[in-house]
Amino acid sequence: DAGVTQSPTHLIKTRGQQVTLRCSPKSGHDTVSWYQQALGQGPQFIFQYYEEEERQRGNFPDRFSGHQFPNYSSELNVNALLLGDSALYLCASSAGQGLYEQYFGPGTRLTVT
Amino acid sequence: GQQLNQSPQSMFIQEGEDVSMNCTSSSIFNTWLWYKQDPGEGPVLLIALYKAGELTSNGRLTAQFGITRKDSFLNISASIPSDVGIYFCAGLEDNYGQNFVFGPGTRLSVLP
Repeated sequence: DAGVTQSPTHLIKTRGQQVTLRCSPKSGHDTVSWYQQALGQGPQFIFQYYEEEERQRGNFPDRFSGHQFPNYSSELNVNALLLGDSALYLCASSAGQGLYEQYFGPGTRLTVT
Repeated sequence: GQQLNQSPQSMFIQEGEDVSMNCTSSSIFNTWLWYKQDPGEGPVLLIALYKAGELTSNGRLTAQFGITRKDSFLNISASIPSDVGIYFCAGLEDNYGQNFVFGPGTRLSVLP
């Protein structure tokens, strides 16, 4: 049973560029949440996708956008990258209504120079 | 927004000792999750709690959902070197959105 997978593992981008991160949920899960984890801090909720729609959003600017595909996989897009966007981006999947246990992928380490 | 506090921030213990850590909030939560994270990896789910007063075990780990619904506790018995890592609590206020709020973590070091 494959767990949550994310790609790429590491990424280096320049200020102002755009980036797309990808996530495949755990088998049987239909809900995907994205988190940003700065060094030395706990994960911060960016947004969550369910049934291909953004269901809830955290306190992140519109530069952060996402998408969920019919097979439940998801993308996180960040435009106009800032140095402060450097972080570990985590994807978590869950089984939707009534079950709140979220399982995380290994993350994508984004470095903005 | 809601904030979670975790204590202690870090702890050093001898192998074989028991460990206790807690997580507190000013808001009421409906669900608590406890995670362990190793360097460079994603958090791994340890225990999920859904009811006030609930006590749940997973091997040497035991977690409790506080009666006030504003706190949760994690205990590790007979610590071993592989228990080293950062332990995060996560609370869910609104069951609909599944928007989990994470604490800042407790860093555990186990001395041989």
